[in-house]
Amino acid sequence: DQQVKQNSPSLSVQEGRISILNCDYTNSMFDYFLWYKKYPAEGPTFLISISSIKDKNEDGRFTVFLNKSAKHLSLHIVPSQPGDSAVYFCAASLSGTYKYIFGTGTRLKVLA
Amino acid sequence: GAGVSQSPRYKVAKRGRDVALRCDSISGHVTLYWYRQTLGQGSEVLTYSQSDAQRDKSGRPSGRFSAERPERSVSTLKIQRTEQGDSAVYLCASSSLWAHEQYFGPGTRLTVT
Repeated sequence: DQQVKQNSPSLSVQEGRISILNCDYTNSMFDYFLWYKKYPAEGPTFLISISSIKDKNEDGRFTVFLNKSAKHLSLHIVPSQPGDSAVYFCAASLSGTYKYIFGTGTRLKVLA
Repeated sequence: GAGVSQSPRYKVAKRGRDVALRCDSISGHVTLYWYRQTLGQGSEVLTYSQSDAQRDKSGRPSGRFSAERPERSVSTLKIQRTEQGDSAVYLCASSSLWAHEQYFGPGTRLTVT
């Protein structure tokens, strides 16, 4: 039973457009969320995070939105660039812990 | 600076044998995590340790998985009596104290035959 779900295994977007990656979770006790990007043969690299006390966090082209009532978060990348093509994982941690549960990932392909 | 490294990058083991996977974390990081990543199932935390704990907290599945920390920035994940279902990529990550952001190694791909 997966507590963190990324229901879209893949997504293709034209260069310059917005990429929206979605993540749903089931446990309302999750209070910190991360997004990671992973290139082939490399470990995941941290992108952006959000605490449950916020509903939005922005860092350059990356914005994460959190909707606690829907138990949903999304990562927006705008404008998308070909170098953004990678697998994106969302992860959530329970309040008071630093152990993260990861989603299964969404493969983003940005077309030039 | 140096990131998190893992060795070996690839490991093939016969079913029933024990394996040990090594992780060298970032100097100064106190928390070390081991994750198992399988296709379609994402990554699950196997075990993690904080500070100078020599032996990590219980892993999943319990019993066959354990981690030791012979040095502050080194962790060894040990898998006893490997099973074919253990075939996966094993990722190590480290973080500084009270930080959420984790830094990952490139992973070790284990194939159990």
